[in-house]
Amino acid sequence: ILNVEQSPQSLHVQEGDSTNFTCSFPSSNFYALHWYRWETAKSPEALFVMTLNGDEKKKGRISATLNTKEGYSYLYIKGSQPEDSATYLCAFKSGRGRRALTFGSGTRLQVQP
Amino acid sequence: NAGVMQNPRHLVRRRGQEARLRCSPMKGHSHVYWYRQLPEEGLKFMVYLQKENIIDESGMPKERFSAEFPKEGPSILRIQQVVRGDSAAYFCASSPLTGNRYNEQFFGPGTRLTVL
Repeated sequence: ILNVEQSPQSLHVQEGDSTNFTCSFPSSNFYALHWYRWETAKSPEALFVMTLNGDEKKKGRISATLNTKEGYSYLYIKGSQPEDSATYLCAFKSGRGRRALTFGSGTRLQVQP
Repeated sequence: NAGVMQNPRHLVRRRGQEARLRCSPMKGHSHVYWYRQLPEEGLKFMVYLQKENIIDESGMPKERFSAEFPKEGPSILRIQQVVRGDSAAYFCASSPLTGNRYNEQFFGPGTRLTVL
């Protein structure tokens, strides 16, 4: 059983604060790590696919880093806005044949105006 | 270009009835995945299908649950003789056949099943 953990489980910040959260995954047999953004009552939306140790990806105020040797990824949001309020999911794909993703439980972010 | 579509969005069943959940993948996608989100939990993989084939059903409960993805038409997740514990949100995702080595998946809006 693959263990993908996210912390914290939830986070409340003020508008303008910068924040970050963590996804931990097995460091062996790594193939890819996905980050999704999931707004209430909508579909999870892909943010990043990260594949190489040391990868850094950025989309607007959101960025992510990857450390495959120690098995973690950080997601950063700079200058949080109320529209950033959502659950952020990470999903791990191992190098084995199976193509399913293993999801973490998510970090629920609430940005207060 | 329509995204992944699921219907119904909400489904209410009484214990013992059957539930049928439908998923139409994005145009050009031939892989479908079903996930279940139980209250206060994350997304749990259930089954992965290609057209007319089940590739991986390791996350599917052994009894009462089945899935298909026929040559024509949507993928169907069927739950027979539903029980209260089946109440959950069921999400479908799709991905293309080629050019997707990292398995990026595109999600539908989900079907929320309530069993009375």
